[in-house]
Amino acid sequence: AQKITQTQPGMFVQEKEAVTLDCTYDTSDPSYGLFWYKQPSSGEMIFLIYQGSYDQQNATEGRYSLNFQKARKSANLVISASQLGDSAMYFCAMREFHTGNQFYFGTGTSLTVIP
Amino acid sequence: NAGVTQTPKFQVLKTGQSMTLQCAQDMNHEYMSWYRQDPGMGLRLIHYSVGAGITDQGEVPNGYNVSRSTTEDFPLRLLSAAPSQTSVYFCASSLRRGWETEAFFGQGTRLTVV
Repeated sequence: AQKITQTQPGMFVQEKEAVTLDCTYDTSDPSYGLFWYKQPSSGEMIFLIYQGSYDQQNATEGRYSLNFQKARKSANLVISASQLGDSAMYFCAMREFHTGNQFYFGTGTSLTVIP
Repeated sequence: NAGVTQTPKFQVLKTGQSMTLQCAQDMNHEYMSWYRQDPGMGLRLIHYSVGAGITDQGEVPNGYNVSRSTTEDFPLRLLSAAPSQTSVYFCASSLRRGWETEAFFGQGTRLTVV
C-alpha cells in the first residue's frame, strides 16, 4: 500500500486566491512527521512546512499552512494568496519513527498559478 | 554554508558504462539517501545510510551500489548503465533522530543513458 497518496496530478489557481493540495498517508506508527516540499521548474527541492503526529495545532509558515486531520490521516497543504512564483511541483512526505528513518514521498501535485 | 553538494548536474552515459554520482554534506547528518525522480512516480528511494559504514537498500536498489566510508560522503555508483536508469537523481541528508527533522536535498543530477 502507498504510504503517501497525492490524488491531484495538476491544479490551477487564480493569482491571489487560496489553494489546497491534498495528501493522505498510511501508517500504524504513532510517531511520525509530515513534510511538504516545493520543486520549482529549476529542479531544487525546497522544504516548506512540517507537522508532527503529536502536534495539537496545525503548522503554519507564512502563507503556507498544513491542515492536519489525524483521524482521517490527511495532511493537506493550504497556500493562501497565491503568487505566480508558487507555480511548481509540490510533494508530500512522511517520516516514521520505527521504520529506519526513511522518508516516503507522494507522486506530487503540479500547481499552476494563473495571472 | 554548502549544505548538500551533488555532482555532476548533468551527465550523458552510453549503455553499459559505469559512473559515480557524488554527494557530500557538511551538516554532520547521520542519515543520507539517494532518490530517483521519474515523471508521475514521485521520489523513489534507491539506497540509504544511517551512519558511516552502514547502508541499506530502498525501494529500487537494482543496478546501483553505495558505500559510506565517512559521515560526509555518500556516492552512488551505477554499475552498468541502462536506458531505464535515465532519471533525475537526488541526494538528501538529515539528522537521524526520530521523525521530526526534514531532509535537505542536493541540486539533483539529470542523467541520460543512451
